[in-house]
Amino acid sequence: EIVMTQSPATLSVSPGERATLSCRASQSVSSNLAWYQQKPGQAPRLLIYGASTRATGIPARFSGSGSGTEFTLTISSLQSEDFAVYYCQQYNNWPGKTFGQGTKVEIK
Amino acid sequence: QVQLVQSGAEVKKPGASVKVSCKASGYTFTSYYMHWVRQAPGQGLEWMGIINPSGGSTSYAQKFQGRVTMTRDTSTSTVYMELSSLRSEDTAVYYCASPRSYGDAFDIWGQGTMVTVSS
Repeated sequence: EIVMTQSPATLSVSPGERATLSCRASQSVSSNLAWYQQKPGQAPRLLIYGASTRATGIPARFSGSGSGTEFTLTISSLQSEDFAVYYCQQYNNWPGKTFGQGTKVEIK
Repeated sequence: QVQLVQSGAEVKKPGASVKVSCKASGYTFTSYYMHWVRQAPGQGLEWMGIINPSGGSTSYAQKFQGRVTMTRDTSTSTVYMELSSLRSEDTAVYYCASPRSYGDAFDIWGQGTMVTVSS
């Protein structure tokens, strides 16, 4: 099983600042990586797929990068609605599509 | 519109079984795999398994092998996830999710079903 490790567990950021979240895979997942945002009481929402492509309707302040085993999600200027938990997920493996443990982005 | 609608919350006793449903609408049910993901209170997302709604084939995470069964009913565009021998650690929100438009990334999610296991 591919293990996904996210860091940090919690990120304290002021509104308008940049947030950088990391995700590492225990083995190469090529570019088969997605990022999700989850707010309390809601299902996850797909932000990024293919490591760097925004899903439809996702604001340009969200960007993804990386390939192989190292990935980054950047939120260029945090808005109030961006404070949430973010998960990475690899979907390179069949059939298991493992998630990282999440990074909580909180208001500083 | 495209949506997945899940059944309501359940309360079960340890040792019992629970069956959660997920009804798809707005797209061709048999064209896209369906996954189940769970989330214990305050915890992260855990992938449980996958079903092919077309042929009914399944594959489960090793952790749930022998306890989980995923089925589908093509006449109602519904998939089911049954988990048996419930224990308190199975208390979680259970989601169905489907990759429709972005490769294998999960772009469609059900609203979640809370399953509480308590004596």
